[in-house]
Amino acid sequence: QQPVQSPQAVILREGEDAVINCSSSKALYSVHWYRQKHGEAPVFLMILLKGGEQKGHEKISASFNEKKQQSSLYLTASQLSYSGTYFCGPNRGSGAGSYQLTFGKGTKLSVIP
Amino acid sequence: DTEVTQTPKHLVMGMTNKKSLKCEQHMGHRAMYWYKQKAKKPPELMFVYSYEKLSINESVPSRFSPECPNSSLLNLHLHALQPEDSALYLCASSQELPGLAFSRVVVGQYFGPGTRLTVL
Repeated sequence: QQPVQSPQAVILREGEDAVINCSSSKALYSVHWYRQKHGEAPVFLMILLKGGEQKGHEKISASFNEKKQQSSLYLTASQLSYSGTYFCGPNRGSGAGSYQLTFGKGTKLSVIP
Repeated sequence: DTEVTQTPKHLVMGMTNKKSLKCEQHMGHRAMYWYKQKAKKPPELMFVYSYEKLSINESVPSRFSPECPNSSLLNLHLHALQPEDSALYLCASSQELPGLAFSRVVVGQYFGPGTRLTVL
């Protein structure tokens, strides 16, 4: 049931763009995206809901294709601070009460000057 | 206050010891979570509490015993652990979610810094 993320790792120069994909074998209700820097806790980036709505608080965009059961995270004009491991986490729960997330293996993003 | 705190930061214990991990949040969140994270792996969900009641147990061995004494506190009691239980234990919280019909308002989870546990 673990979603599949691709690529596993990517190296970018500052200002370059990247796309991280997340595919699930199960129907998705919502997909969460988190970033974790080395030695730190995961930080919430974005929630993608059915219907294509996005909820987030950073200048990072994402998409959610319900038919393909896939979500993609778009990082444009990358900054050094974008470095870290990105996890997608489909919510297995019904959406009421609490989340029940299963995270993908992660995509390690390194931004170099 | 948008912080989840966890104590201790580091814990070393023997296989016969009993210890507890503590998590606290003052954001008024009514859903709280325990995750286990091994090095270079994603966080794995262990338990979910919703309104101080255990709602999800991801088939976690009984040597891990969660407790939610009140809406701000979450504990994880540890007993007779194995060396393979060594990991980073993360606590998280989130606002309670409305039902599907009202699901346009959602927020993510706030994670604490974690407790790095070593079992000898």
